[in-house]
Amino acid sequence: SQQGEEDPQALSIQEGENATMNCSYKTSINNLQWYRQNSGRGLVHLILIRSNEREKHSGRLRVTLDTSKKSSSLLITASRAADTASYFCATETSGSRLTFGEGTQLTVNP
Amino acid sequence: GAVVSQHPSWVICKSGTSVKIECRSLDFQATTMFWYRQFPKQSLMLMATSNEGSKATYEQGVEKDKFLINHASLTLSTLTVTSAHPEDSSFYICSAPKQGNQPQHFGDGTRLSIL
Repeated sequence: SQQGEEDPQALSIQEGENATMNCSYKTSINNLQWYRQNSGRGLVHLILIRSNEREKHSGRLRVTLDTSKKSSSLLITASRAADTASYFCATETSGSRLTFGEGTQLTVNP
Repeated sequence: GAVVSQHPSWVICKSGTSVKIECRSLDFQATTMFWYRQFPKQSLMLMATSNEGSKATYEQGVEKDKFLINHASLTLSTLTVTSAHPEDSSFYICSAPKQGNQPQHFGDGTRLSIL
């Protein structure tokens, strides 16, 4: 079963604006990962944050993790039309099992 | 370059056909691989964990006789959808962890369309 919930389900913004997506989960985790998926394509790994980390940056991406609230956020700054995609969080538990959130469909309008 | 290769990328076949999908780790050995299914506009649902040299572990609600998994070597897992029907049409994706607490490597997925 899916333990991750993401919001918003859909987000539409203008190029240059920031996009924030949130993810909540229910159980203890080893790490939380964010992935991107273009329509009909495979997954692209964006960033992994371990359970003992609180914040991580990679280029225009910033991820936070609050294990006390069992939540994470992905911030994309200065968005581009090419950032249009679905974004999924996934929590890793024992045995390397990943459980995916419902995903956020991001549309960046030029 | 890709570290997990999935083949085929696209299959169209008639109802009742069995379809085999391969997932290969290219530059590492994977004792465990995972198979996911994704319906349109939905998230990835874990179907089963493929274990090298032993039986696969299926998630609740996934029919093991319908979705046969074989992990005969450290670099290859196969998923066979037996007697496929239109409701089995979906996007199937495999993944393999290279190392614990590290990003997993995903195949590019297989789009299965059953007519």
